[in-house]
Amino acid sequence: DGGITQSPKYLFRKEGQNVTLSCEQNLNHDAMYWYRQDPGQGLRLIYYSQIVNDFQKGDIAEGYSVSREKKESFPLTVTSAQKNPTAFYLCASSIGAQETQYFGPGTRLLVL
Amino acid sequence: KNQVEQSPQSLIILEGKNCTLQCNYTVSPFSNLRWYKQDTGRGPVSLTIMTFSENTKSNGRYTATLDADTKQSSLHITASQLSDSASYICVVSGVLTGTASKLTFGTGTRLQVTL
Repeated sequence: DGGITQSPKYLFRKEGQNVTLSCEQNLNHDAMYWYRQDPGQGLRLIYYSQIVNDFQKGDIAEGYSVSREKKESFPLTVTSAQKNPTAFYLCASSIGAQETQYFGPGTRLLVL
Repeated sequence: KNQVEQSPQSLIILEGKNCTLQCNYTVSPFSNLRWYKQDTGRGPVSLTIMTFSENTKSNGRYTATLDADTKQSSLHITASQLSDSASYICVVSGVLTGTASKLTFGTGTRLQVTL
């Protein structure tokens, strides 16, 4: 099956802890994205990558980090510097920068 | 500031009825407008995409319209089904060339279809 997978579905973070959210796609898409979704707000872009080994900050990158070592994978690390990490995190990919983005099932991050 | 506003915030309709969701945007420059459907706890799924020159686009029981002059779009759902219960998100792309699409997301309309 082709698609985007995210894991885990639920993730719990303790104070001061870094956690990493996984995003994998087998669609052969060049571009990948991370969004954060909060109740009552539209999706907000955290980071995006148009090609392997390159990524750019989105609108709310502070407290987050990413890597793009492989075309298929775009993991997101939520660092201890992110003071309000509780949210639904969505990963997406697209063939190119202007094409339709396809979303993964999401990871819900909760703080203990 | 680029903005996308959707109305109503939430809507409850009876199964089999039609409904129309609204989207107003102030994104500039405009590239395209997409409607996504998002089931609770899931990722959004694309329903339609329209460029500046397109007025109407259909996908089964979903019909989207675009008026680029007034910067308004609507999503009409015909003969609603229980499975249509979801959030519908309007997304406007505001970058025309080169870099990744700068998408502006609306907050969505939460639709509930009941018996």
